[in-house]
Amino acid sequence: AQSVTQLDSQVPVFEEAPVELRCNYSSSVSVYLFWYVQYPNQGLQLLLKYLSGSTLVESINGFEAEFNKSQTSFHLRKPSVHISDTAEYFCAVSDRKGAQKLVFGQGTRLTINP
Amino acid sequence: DAGVTQSPTHLIKTRGQQVTLRCSPKSGHDTVSWYQQALGQGPQFIFQYYEEEERQRGNFPDRFSGHQFPNYSSELNVNALLLGDSALYLCASSPNRGAGNTIYFGEGSWLTVV
Repeated sequence: AQSVTQLDSQVPVFEEAPVELRCNYSSSVSVYLFWYVQYPNQGLQLLLKYLSGSTLVESINGFEAEFNKSQTSFHLRKPSVHISDTAEYFCAVSDRKGAQKLVFGQGTRLTINP
Repeated sequence: DAGVTQSPTHLIKTRGQQVTLRCSPKSGHDTVSWYQQALGQGPQFIFQYYEEEERQRGNFPDRFSGHQFPNYSSELNVNALLLGDSALYLCASSPNRGAGNTIYFGEGSWLTVV
């Protein structure tokens, strides 16, 4: 079984400031790692994912996340945030075998202040 | 290309009633999963359908049941509704090509039980 812990329920930052959203996971098997974003009144959209290879993965809108196996972490970062980044961010894992079932963290609400 | 579509978007039911939620997967996807997202929480996996059969199930009671049709669309049924069933119900689809595929989510059906 897997579990995901997002260490911050809310993160307020000023526009153009850097941000880090923290995610730790627990699993007895190897996993794939995902970050999903949920804008107000919308469904979930995939932001980025780690399957294998380079431990640093990037999204098209400037976010990046680094897989750290020893610390079982997959923190999400952005060097300069924009008002439009205001959303709920969910870290998730799935095991590498069998059907695609996601286990989500509780979410981190990112609020960008002008 | 339409993504994952869900209906209805919002509904209000009375405790003890039954509800049916519907989902059409993204074109080319044959695997459909359902998640429950309570207010302020991360989505929780209910079950997954592939080839018209329930392939995996999360920790939800038998009041939650589903169906998948030959065209891959799916329904989620909840019987004997409880106040605690109030949540956003998300449908997700993916191709059955092993773990790690991107899972696409619909915008969800908001269920309020009064």
